[in-house]
Amino acid sequence: SAVISQKPSRDICQRGTSLTIQCQVDSQVTMMFWYRQQPGQSLTLIATANQGSEATYESGFVIDKFPISRPNLTFSTLTVSNMSPEDSSIYLCSVNPTSGRPDTQYFGPGTRLTVL
Amino acid sequence: AQRVTQPEKLLSVFKGAPVELKCNYSYSGSPELFWYVQYSRQRLQLLLRHISRESIKGFTADLNKGETSFHLKKPFAQEEDSAMYYCALKRNTDKLIFGTGTRLQVFP
Repeated sequence: SAVISQKPSRDICQRGTSLTIQCQVDSQVTMMFWYRQQPGQSLTLIATANQGSEATYESGFVIDKFPISRPNLTFSTLTVSNMSPEDSSIYLCSVNPTSGRPDTQYFGPGTRLTVL
Repeated sequence: AQRVTQPEKLLSVFKGAPVELKCNYSYSGSPELFWYVQYSRQRLQLLLRHISRESIKGFTADLNKGETSFHLKKPFAQEEDSAMYYCALKRNTDKLIFGTGTRLQVFP
């Protein structure tokens, strides 16, 4: 399995500001993903964080709004830019380990974001 | 279109009763399906995968390609089964599509 931590665990932010969320894994992983879970909704994939290249965004999500970094195989950041109340969500990082059960995704604890 | 549908937002049963959480999918290829569970104040975690044909915590799920379903079943529910359950479909390159989730409440 993979142990994933996220920082911060929660935050309350003002409209128009940006927040960077960190995701740290205890082992090297190939695939890292960022999801959003809006209140009362399911998880929606934002993007795949690729090590050494730009992230791959899903339909409806753009790099200017959600810039992602992946400097190495154990770490990634997601920035939520120019926030509005509609960005209030739980943001989750997930990984596919490179060993063990590589077809299983492991999830971080999530970052609960509230935008006022 | 690729889609996962969980028609029930909430399922309430008494302890010892059978449980079936419904999941239907839409996918043009050969599907890989999963059930994830989130207990109160815990992170989302894998419960079972269809390719493993496993039984975890008494839960099983059978892929029915004819009905495009992957329902989760347990013959006798326990109070500790109370949680949020998500059905998920794996697309190419390991991306997951999640259903909207079903909250299972098991009363004593």
